[in-house]
Amino acid sequence: AQSVSQHNHHVILSEAASLELGCNYSYGGTVNLFWYVQYPGQHLQLLLKYFSGDPLVKGIKGFEAEFIKSKFSFNLRKPSVQWSDTAEYFCAVNAQTDGLTFGKGTHLIIQP
Amino acid sequence: DVKVTQSSRYLVKRTGEKVFLECVQDMDHENMFWYRQDPGLGLRLIYFSYDVKMKEKGDIPEGYSVSREKKERFSLILESASTNQTSMYLCASSSVDTGLSYTFGSGTRLTVV
Repeated sequence: AQSVSQHNHHVILSEAASLELGCNYSYGGTVNLFWYVQYPGQHLQLLLKYFSGDPLVKGIKGFEAEFIKSKFSFNLRKPSVQWSDTAEYFCAVNAQTDGLTFGKGTHLIIQP
Repeated sequence: DVKVTQSSRYLVKRTGEKVFLECVQDMDHENMFWYRQDPGLGLRLIYFSYDVKMKEKGDIPEGYSVSREKKERFSLILESASTNQTSMYLCASSSVDTGLSYTFGSGTRLTVV
């Protein structure tokens, strides 16, 4: 069975700081990888996804993630965060057809 | 845009009641899913369906059942609600055509008293 581990449950940054949220998964085969974001009071939205090809994928709002197969990682990055990036971020993996498996989420707070 | 609509935003039910949570999607997606979201636990898959009248157990199916009589509608049923089923319930749909990316509904916050 697949599993997803997010390294930090709570992250607090100042505006303009750089962001990196860690995500590791456990599954030996081919995976599809996702980052979802949930802004306060809103539904989950897709931030970016990786299926194949270039391991560096770019998503909405300046976010990007890098798939490193040897490390089973798919870390989310943003060079300069804004107050509006305050949200909960979920990493997810789909190894086969059993639905997405989500990490426990990282609550990101950006201080103005 | 794909829309996934959950019929209720907030529900309060009594212990032992039978509870129905409804989800409808309007883009002909073949896959539909029910998750519950709890603080510190992330999203956990309850049930999913890849076709009409088809259902598969997720990671935490105990105490729940589902129904998919039509392609656009996927219902989650709590046979006898208990306080530990107080949670946010999220419905999602996906399709091979959309690269299996999920579109989520706004969620139903269920409180069992």
